[in-house]
This record gives sequence, structure tokens and C-alpha cells, in this order.
Amino acid sequence: SQQGEEDPQALSIQEGENATMNCSYKTSINNLQWYRQNSGRGLVHLILIRSNEREKHSGRLRVTLDTSKKSSSLLITASRAADTASYFCATDYNAGNMLTFGGGTRLMVKP
Amino acid sequence: DTAVSQTPKYLVTQMGNDKSIKCEQNLGHDTMYWYKQDSKKFLKIMFSYNNKELIINETVPNRFSPKSPDKAHLNLHINSLELGDSAVYFCAVSVGPRFYGYTFGSGTRLTVV
Repeated sequence: SQQGEEDPQALSIQEGENATMNCSYKTSINNLQWYRQNSGRGLVHLILIRSNEREKHSGRLRVTLDTSKKSSSLLITASRAADTASYFCATDYNAGNMLTFGGGTRLMVKP
Repeated sequence: DTAVSQTPKYLVTQMGNDKSIKCEQNLGHDTMYWYKQDSKKFLKIMFSYNNKELIINETVPNRFSPKSPDKAHLNLHINSLELGDSAVYFCAVSVGPRFYGYTFGSGTRLTVV
């Protein structure tokens, strides 16, 4: 089974609204990362949060990490049509220097 | 220059054939990976490789084998292709995931008919 699972699986919002995606994982981690994948493209690294951090910001992105609940959230503020993509969380949990990805949240931002 | 380039971008082949997908990186990173993304968008790690160590996901059939002619390349060879091998295969590179993210290639869409 996947180490990380995103919720919701799909999200549709209007431009200008905020989008929140959640990720849950099962084992202790070194860090958690979020990636974006546009249709037909490779994944792009967005942000990395370490296990001893609780919140991190990058532009319109805000990531939180709650290690006690083994969960993370990605907030995209003031969404734009160009934010339409799939968003994946990935965890590094000492599995041989490899990241394990969740199933992704498909975000659609309507203009 | 593309940091991580994969060729070919599309590959259509018949069952039973042997094929290779190439990956090249110009970032000078030590570790390279192959991931498989299925039709439901799930990404599954297949291999992790650096100059010293190959780590294989135990669920990967031994028909799949990575080969690295040098530090900048990690190719994926697939023998006796099956219908279930149809997927998008991504190469990725990293200094190491502990403090840095991955840089992904644009993917190779493999279709086995």
C-alpha cells in the first residue's frame, strides 16, 4: 500500500479561492515533500518540510506537518488557472534513500 | 539544456519484445531513480542507484534491470515485455532526498500491444 495518501483525490475550485490538500502517512519520516505534475509532464518539486518543522511557506504555498498525526497539508492561496495539476506528497522514511509517493490530488482551478 | 532527459518520449511495442529507455542527467547528482506511474497516477519506486549501491524494490520483476554506463546515465532495460508493463516511466535524480527534492525527467510513455 502507499506510504502517503492524499485527500481529496480530486478538487475543483474557482480562480482566486484557496485550495487545501492533505496527506497522511504511516511510518516515521525524515522529511515530507510536495510535488506538482502537469498533464503529460514530469513531477516538479515544490517544497520540502523536515520532520522537526511544523510549517513552511514558499510564495503562495503553505505546508504544515503534524508528526503526531502523521499528516501534512498543502495550501495554495489565491489559486490561478495555471495551478491546475496533480499534487503529490512524498515521504522519506529511511527506505534506502528513496521517496515514496502518494496517489495525488487532482486540482482543477476554473477561470 | 534539460537537466534530466529521457528518450524516447513515447514507445509502442509488442508483447515479448525487449526494450530500453535512456536517462541522462547534467546536474552531477549522485543518485538516480526509476519510477513507474500507472494509469491511476500512482508512482512506484523501482530502483535507486548511485555509484556504490543499487537498491531494488523487491516487487519489481527481474525482467527489469537498470544499467549505468557512467554517472550521468541510468538506463532501464525491460525484457519480455508484458501488457501490464504499459505505463509512464520516470527517471529522477537527487543529491539525496534527506534535504533536497528530486528532479524528474519528462517521462516515457510505454505502450505494450
